[in-house]
Amino acid sequence: DGGITQSPKYLFRKEGQNVTLSCEQNLNHDAMYWYRQDPGQGLRLIYYSQIVNDFQKGDIAEGYSVSREKKESFPLTVTSAQKNPTAFYLCASSIEDEFYGYTFGSGTRLTVV
Amino acid sequence: RKEVEQDPGPFNVPEGATVAFNCTYSNSASQSFFWYRQDCRKEPKLLMSVYSSGNEDGRFTAQLNRASQYISLLIRDSKLSDSATYLCVVDSWGKLQFGAGTQVVVTP
Repeated sequence: DGGITQSPKYLFRKEGQNVTLSCEQNLNHDAMYWYRQDPGQGLRLIYYSQIVNDFQKGDIAEGYSVSREKKESFPLTVTSAQKNPTAFYLCASSIEDEFYGYTFGSGTRLTVV
Repeated sequence: RKEVEQDPGPFNVPEGATVAFNCTYSNSASQSFFWYRQDCRKEPKLLMSVYSSGNEDGRFTAQLNRASQYISLLIRDSKLSDSATYLCVVDSWGKLQFGAGTQVVVTP
């Protein structure tokens, strides 16, 4: 079955450490997205990519980096510059036309320890 | 002002009752509208798209009011399994904007 796989499900980060969240899709979708969800807030866009080797900053890109070397993969690195990284991170993909909505992965819950 | 606003709830609904709630959006040029369902600590899942003429999917009815810039979701004959947070999603200049969600709790 086609879908989006995020790993790991839970991740713990020490102060000053970079961590990378994985997102892989086999839906043949062109566009991929990373969102952050905090309690009581809507999903906020971190980065998005509409084509391989190209990506754009979203509303809250500071302290994050991404790459899009393959159509299927869109990993997110949370760097030490992100001062409040504890959140639920969701990866999504869509065909080019947003009219059809997004498909989400099951998310990664990141906690700073 | 947030681009997409929702009443956070919770809406406490007896099983079998009807519940309805709205979502307002600020970008009058928005063309695509969706309702997503999110269970606790899970990913959002697409519930239904919202069309200009309104649409129905079983017990769920979505309406769009462009003049007043809001969309609505109505759930009839509520089931215990309808308990979730319902996210309003609106496209804004080519990107989807998410509301913070409306929590619905269906009680026996």
